Amino acid sequence: DAGVTQSPTHLIKTRGQQVTLRCSPISGHKSVSWYQQVLGQGPQFIFQYYEKEERGRGNFPDRFSARQFPNYSSELNVNALLLGDSALYLCASSLQGHEQFFGPGTRLTVL
Amino acid sequence: GQSLEQPSEVTAVEGAIVQINCTYQTSGFYGLSWYQQHDGGAPTFLSYNALDGLEETGRFSSFLSRSDSYGYLLLQELQMKDSASYFCAVRDNFNKFYFGSGTKLNVKP
Repeated sequence: DAGVTQSPTHLIKTRGQQVTLRCSPISGHKSVSWYQQVLGQGPQFIFQYYEKEERGRGNFPDRFSARQFPNYSSELNVNALLLGDSALYLCASSLQGHEQFFGPGTRLTVL
Repeated sequence: GQSLEQPSEVTAVEGAIVQINCTYQTSGFYGLSWYQQHDGGAPTFLSYNALDGLEETGRFSSFLSRSDSYGYLLLQELQMKDSASYFCAVRDNFNKFYFGSGTKLNVKP
């Protein structure tokens, strides 16, 4: 079975632009979570979606938004990019919530 | 506020046993998880404790004491490939997930 997939792998944007990151969960997984990981730190929780509904939101500004589609794939959108948004963005899918399967991530660089 | 504390770095030799501690403070508690992350890779799930006690999975064991808000990951028979960062993580009552800042394990020959 395929694992969690994310696209694109790498992305370079400039300040003020908008970005959309995509995630496909493991087949059968209905829960998708998004994380931001800065080098040398642990993943920071952004959102959790289950059955297309937002179930949890971390302490991120409203510039960050997400949605989940009927096929359980998900998109993370970030508007008005700041230099500090440069990070690895991880998507994780799960069946029961505590065992999360992470994708390879999208490396976002904001110049 | 929410916080998880774990040592930043631990060094051990091949074949040894190492324990990585984690103390947490969260609003509500659904369980403590452990993840491994190699440089440049994604976190991979290692273990989960919802109840007090020890869970064993091969060379890895994880312990939880909810009354002490404390847990640890025990790695036995260390191998060079165990060199990685290890994160403890908890989920609170509001479906928020919190990860510690990670413990970098260096395994030396």
